[in-house]
Amino acid sequence: SQTIHQWPATLVQPVGSPLSLECTVEGTSNPNLYWYRQAAGRGLQLLFYSVGIGQISSEVPQNLSASRPQDRQFILSSKKLLLSDSGFYLCAWSIGDTQYFGPGTRLTVL
Amino acid sequence: KNEVEQSPQNLTAQEGEFITINCSYSVGISALHWLQQHPGGGIVSLFMLSSGKKKHGRLIATINIQEKHSSLHITASHPRDSAVYICAVSRGTSYGKLTFGQGTILTVHP
Repeated sequence: SQTIHQWPATLVQPVGSPLSLECTVEGTSNPNLYWYRQAAGRGLQLLFYSVGIGQISSEVPQNLSASRPQDRQFILSSKKLLLSDSGFYLCAWSIGDTQYFGPGTRLTVL
Repeated sequence: KNEVEQSPQNLTAQEGEFITINCSYSVGISALHWLQQHPGGGIVSLFMLSSGKKKHGRLIATINIQEKHSSLHITASHPRDSAVYICAVSRGTSYGKLTFGQGTILTVHP
């Protein structure tokens, strides 16, 4: 069966520090991968999606970047965090229309 | 105007009541999704439908493609149903990307 892992589960970082969130998927090949963010009191927003290794599409301009170095690995990064980067970050995968969500990372930037 | 609109934004019910959450969308879609987000943040996919009606336990989802409208019903509601319910749509040429409604916060009191 397929599973999706995200880490860390929670993270508190100072403004200006770097960020690296990792997502891995097991039990499937060549999935589409997504990073979503949910800011406090707001709905989910798609940040990045990837249809293959090294292929990244950005949905909104921002302080973040994404990479897909392996088929089932998706990384969200920032060189310098802003206060506005705080939120709940979700990784998801799909083949076809059904999406499967990871457990999420709650990021607080102080 | 958002492409996906949900109503109501907040819903409070007594245990045992029949609950309806509505979702309207303004774009062409390949599928509509109902998601459940628990207080810890994790998201579970409840339904994916492109026509008609689906039922799983006490949950029923319907969609009217002509009217671009979907409803999620919960029969015999229970406090453990308390969560945020999110409507999202996927579009056939969008690599599975989802566009989300703002969510409906459901609280069921014993």
